[in-house]
Amino acid sequence: EDKVVQSPLSLVVHEGDTVTLNCSYEVTNFRSLLWYKQEKKAPTFLFMLTSSGIEKKSGRLSSILDKKELFSILNITATQTGDSAVYLCAPDFGNEKLTFGTGTRLTIIP
Amino acid sequence: NAGVMQNPRHLVRRRGQEARLRCSPMKGHSHVYWYRQLPEEGLKFMVYLQKENIIDESGMPKERFSAEFPKEGPSILRIQQVVRGDSAAYFCASSPDRTLYNEQFFGPGTRLTVL
Repeated sequence: EDKVVQSPLSLVVHEGDTVTLNCSYEVTNFRSLLWYKQEKKAPTFLFMLTSSGIEKKSGRLSSILDKKELFSILNITATQTGDSAVYLCAPDFGNEKLTFGTGTRLTIIP
Repeated sequence: NAGVMQNPRHLVRRRGQEARLRCSPMKGHSHVYWYRQLPEEGLKFMVYLQKENIIDESGMPKERFSAEFPKEGPSILRIQQVVRGDSAAYFCASSPDRTLYNEQFFGPGTRLTVL
């Protein structure tokens, strides 16, 4: 069965810190990996990664995929209180549905 | 360019009643997915539909739950004879007509509370 593990489960840091969130997966037929940010509402799309080693960047957020070691990381630099959310990774195993990890709950203390 | 729309945003039902949740995909998207998020849990896939077709319903409970995506109108997730355990947030996502990758965009969700 396809499996997704995110770590840490929760993380509390001070504003201005840099954080790294991890997502590892066991896969039968990997196609891409998506990252979402979820506050108290719908998941908001952040990145889609398809190729190993190519960093995607959006402002203070960046992400990279390692298809050989089966993991992805999401980095957030100079964190702000608005970054507080649950961050979800969701590999697409080529079967038309996304398999979500349990998420990392990030809390930024002012 | 409206995103994925869901209604109602909040729905309260008593045990035994029916719940109908609606989802209108983004313009140009013909693929709809329903996910359920129980309190303090992750998103779980329920069903994947294209217009007039159920493609994959492997995540949907066998009884009381059904989904449709008619030729005209929104996709509907229907829960009959609701029980307290059905209380959850139900999210709909849509993706464009077939591309190489499955990039899904989510609606705001419907929060169902069963009393």
